[in-house]
Amino acid sequence: QSVLTQPPSVSGAPGQRVTISCTGSSSNIGAGYDVHWYQQLPGTAPKLLIYGNSNRPSGVPDRFSGSKSGTSASLAITGLQAEDEADYYCQSYDSSLSRYVFGTGTKVTVL
Amino acid sequence: QVQLQESGPGLVKPSQTLSLTCTVSGGSISSGGYYWSWIRQHPGKGLEWIGYIYYSGSTYYNPSLKSRVTISVDTSKNQFSLKLSSVTAADTAVYYCARGGATITGPFDYWGQGTLVTVSS
Repeated sequence: QSVLTQPPSVSGAPGQRVTISCTGSSSNIGAGYDVHWYQQLPGTAPKLLIYGNSNRPSGVPDRFSGSKSGTSASLAITGLQAEDEADYYCQSYDSSLSRYVFGTGTKVTVL
Repeated sequence: QVQLQESGPGLVKPSQTLSLTCTVSGGSISSGGYYWSWIRQHPGKGLEWIGYIYYSGSTYYNPSLKSRVTISVDTSKNQFSLKLSSVTAADTAVYYCARGGATITGPFDYWGQGTLVTVSS
């Protein structure tokens, strides 16, 4: 059972901007733990997309950006491209559950 | 470039023990500084963290799986392993090994390709 809630799906036309929310609580995101984001293309392993709330690993396009406020975080994709069609997961740590937690996942569709 | 590769049986019978190994290349587990994790994904579902091991051998497990999980490390082979006992159909999943961050709440920055384990008689 995921404790980080994401919308099941978001969609947009090529070139548009989409955002994915990740809602947590006072024992995870709200407690100050970093949020990380992963992109999972069909049939492949997750790939780190954003770490430490808003940092991009080398090689990740600057079309991807992350932010965090209070008990929530967001991932934004600007200039949406067909290759961005994938599942996206947020991840943090929960002090009440004493474990790493992942979001419910969001499927991004490029119209 | 760090690479991880899972290996092990793809089919396990109910009540038996699931055993997987993750071989790390491009970096040494014994150099320290990272937490090495197992994560699984049930078919068509989200991700579930199973546990991690540090190069020193210290471990930490998901409380919901703790009674059935053992993670060990073999630094001489640059490998770490997962054992999950008393498996049921609910343990059918793709199992990933991943490198955790330099801090305990750091990201999983490198992942194996994953291996599907089916629990069935």
